[in-house]
Amino acid sequence: EVQLLESGGGLVHPGGSLRLSCGVSGFTFSSYAMSWFRQAPGQGLEWVSTVSATATSPYYAASVRGRFTSSRDNSMNRLYLQLNSLRVEDTAMYYCARDCRTGSSRYPIDYWGQGTLVTVSP
Amino acid sequence: QSGLTQPASVSGSPGQSITISCTGTSNDVGHYSFVSWYQQVEGNAPKVVIYEVSHRPSGVSDRFSGSKSGNTASLTISGLQAEDEAYYYCMSYTSSTIPKALGTGTKVIVL
Repeated sequence: EVQLLESGGGLVHPGGSLRLSCGVSGFTFSSYAMSWFRQAPGQGLEWVSTVSATATSPYYAASVRGRFTSSRDNSMNRLYLQLNSLRVEDTAMYYCARDCRTGSSRYPIDYWGQGTLVTVSP
Repeated sequence: QSGLTQPASVSGSPGQSITISCTGTSNDVGHYSFVSWYQQVEGNAPKVVIYEVSHRPSGVSDRFSGSKSGNTASLTISGLQAEDEAYYYCMSYTSSTIPKALGTGTKVIVL
């Protein structure tokens, strides 16, 4: 059974940092591109970042580029999102998610984690 | 961000059928057969209800069906039930610079 479990969310002041983690099981992690999405309270889903299976050149949404960094440890089956210079508008539930096919970073998602909540407040 | 366009809301009475559209371009929906639909009930993570345009995962009701014509994909919910009230998102394989083409989301309201 495919499972994704996020952790690391919490309350942080503007300008602060957090590191989110996503542990996975039930599939060959090193074969799949992985992504982060977020959802602000009462808003729609927003794509944040995608990391290829081999972790070369992650992609970022314009709203987080230069502040957030995605990485992965294929030996540990873990995906990470480093959040720096946090802003109030970064407050959201953050989801990690798996591509539905291997071989590219551009496929739709087939599995989602349950999310971890990041709250940025003065 | 490469966004796919969906109506903000669609409503219907119990037992009726509704259709949600997802309009993209020739860089995504129009060119590839990898279009997925997700249901997100309030407070929960998204869940796949349709993949590869028209395929249903095991456990998803056969009241959900998908199709595609040109640059527009569609999700139809037949025999609408109260439990179908949720947000629905589409996503497509894309050749654009941004690697994820995500729909803007549609709120389904059961009257």
